[in-house]
Amino acid sequence: GEDVEQSLFLSVREGDSSVINCTYTDSSSTYLYWYKQEPGAGLQLLTYIFSNMDMKQDQRLTVLLNKKDKHLSLRIADTQTGDSAIYFCAETISGGYNKLIFGAGTRLAVHP
Amino acid sequence: GAGVSQSPSNKVTEKGKDVELRCDPISGHTALYWYRQSLGQGLEFLIYFQGNSAPDKSGLPSDRFSAERTGGSVSTLTIQRTQQEDSAVYLCASSLGARGEQFFGPGTRLTVL
Repeated sequence: GEDVEQSLFLSVREGDSSVINCTYTDSSSTYLYWYKQEPGAGLQLLTYIFSNMDMKQDQRLTVLLNKKDKHLSLRIADTQTGDSAIYFCAETISGGYNKLIFGAGTRLAVHP
Repeated sequence: GAGVSQSPSNKVTEKGKDVELRCDPISGHTALYWYRQSLGQGLEFLIYFQGNSAPDKSGLPSDRFSAERTGGSVSTLTIQRTQQEDSAVYLCASSLGARGEQFFGPGTRLTVL
């Protein structure tokens, strides 16, 4: 079946790196995504990685994918207070469209 | 507008009443999704529309839930005889094609008393 798991909470100091982890169960996942949700706002796509890639870097964001262990991580370098939000990992399985299967979300708190 | 819009932003209703939630997708986006975000269940897929094809309703939790999409644009999610467990934020997303990036609306927060 399809299942995505994340730790629920992460606290970091401003300027440090944040690493948010995710595991998924569906080996047929084609794309894996990271979404950000700020209070009272909808979901914003941060980045995504295709399942045949190991790493993707986009400015302060680095996504690492270990397909063997079905483990995905999001690293945010130089974390800022504006990065405080809930981060959702999501997968899509092979098929005709992008049905997203979400994790429970990791709440990132950035403190001075 | 530039993004996906949803209305109302907040809806409070009494148990047993029917509610309608509206989604206006980005112009030209053929694919439209509804998701539900609740404390107990996290973010769940509800239903998917693509053009004039039959929708994928596999995520609808009960037959009290239905959705339609008129003219390939605006969509309405209807919940009949609401229950307290229906309280959640209902999110709509649209994409350019079935495999495109999904752009989410701000959601409708439904509270059933």
